[in-house]
Amino acid sequence: QKEVEQNSGPLSVPEGAIASLNCTYSDRGSQSFFWYRQYSGKSPELIMFIYSNGDKEDGRFTAQLNKASQYVSLLIRDSQPSDSATYLCAVNWGFGNEKLTFGTGTRLTIIP
Amino acid sequence: GAVVSQHPSWVICKSGTSVKIECRSLDFQATTMFWYRQFPKQSLMLMATSNEGSKATYEQGVEKDKFLINHASLTLSTLTVTSAHPEDSSFYICSARGEQGDSPLHFGNGTRLTVT
Repeated sequence: QKEVEQNSGPLSVPEGAIASLNCTYSDRGSQSFFWYRQYSGKSPELIMFIYSNGDKEDGRFTAQLNKASQYVSLLIRDSQPSDSATYLCAVNWGFGNEKLTFGTGTRLTIIP
Repeated sequence: GAVVSQHPSWVICKSGTSVKIECRSLDFQATTMFWYRQFPKQSLMLMATSNEGSKATYEQGVEKDKFLINHASLTLSTLTVTSAHPEDSSFYICSARGEQGDSPLHFGNGTRLTVT
């Protein structure tokens, strides 16, 4: 069974510091990877997606993918209280396969 | 772009009644939409894939006769929870991909269903 694993947290990070969120996945053939942010009672909001090994940066966010080790991470620089949310890692098992499998999410709290 | 609108945002219904949830792609055409369910403090679980003009594809363990999906146009999919029971109370979220081949999923705002 294809699985996506995340540490449920909570992860507490001081304001202004770097928050590091990690995710591992079971299927080595996975092709595309997504990070979503979900505030309590709200729907997930796409933060970033990454398809290739290495780093992808967008503003304060950096996604890192290592297919050999089967992990993907999200770094949030200069963390703000508004970044406090649950972060969901999602994996697509192949291009053209549109079914996303979600991890259980990591609850992040930024401490002012 | 890629805005997905979902309605209603919350609904309370009595046990045994049916509830319809609408999902619309506002600025793009979506041949495929996805319906997820999320119980408190759990992750999103895919229920079914809604295909325009054809039958939905349901995930294992999801009752197709209970969760009726209709995708009548390229911008609208509906999920009807029939004969709802308290255990159907959950957060239902639809999603769709943008029109470009590698577009990621975008989610509607979700519908909080409470069955009393």
